[in-house]
Amino acid sequence: AQKVTQAQTEISVVEKEDVTLDCVYETRDTTYYLFWYKQPPSGELVFLIRRNSFDEQNEISGRYSWNFQKSTSSFNFTITASQVVDSAVYFCALSEARLRGNAGKSTFGDGTTLTVKP
Amino acid sequence: GAVVSQHPSRVICKSGTSVKIECRSLDFQATTMFWYRQFPKKSLMLMATSNEGSKATYEQGVEKDKFLINHASLTLSTLTVTSAHPEDSSFYICSASTGGGYRGRNEQFFGPGTRLTVL
Repeated sequence: AQKVTQAQTEISVVEKEDVTLDCVYETRDTTYYLFWYKQPPSGELVFLIRRNSFDEQNEISGRYSWNFQKSTSSFNFTITASQVVDSAVYFCALSEARLRGNAGKSTFGDGTTLTVKP
Repeated sequence: GAVVSQHPSRVICKSGTSVKIECRSLDFQATTMFWYRQFPKKSLMLMATSNEGSKATYEQGVEKDKFLINHASLTLSTLTVTSAHPEDSSFYICSASTGGGYRGRNEQFFGPGTRLTVL
């Protein structure tokens, strides 16, 4: 069975601080996908990044960066110079990878509520 | 990018009534749609996987007679909450996927969600 653990339930930082959200996953699959989503108060999930299990390259997108370490089954997310607008719930998710046919299921972590104070 | 809509965005109903929620992929064909339920301050829990033209696959603990799912076309899936009760009040989110393989990339595109309140 797949499992995603986001140990940090809530994090509060002051604007301009850097913050890292942790994500640890468990799976027996050799091929899988990892995702991060942002859920603002409106409720709509916003896709942030998708990473497949073959690609351990870290990625940077503006103030966002992701560190994927297969050896420790972690996929951590760092926001640099946080802003008030970053306040939201962030979910890490693990998805089955199917080589053909229908899409695989996703398992979500419990989410980390990030509050950025001015 | 791929857009998924849900209708209605909010619904309030009386206990005992049935409510239908629609999930549409607007600019792509979705071979698979997923239905999730989210309680306040909780994670998304997968309820069922719906593949076009076949019966939905429900997760353990989800009553298939309570939550009817129909995936009649490649752009539309519906979730009907039958004989709704206050405990069914929740945020329901659908996602649509183009499928697995190298083309589909197993990506899911999420709808904006439907907030159901049963009085």
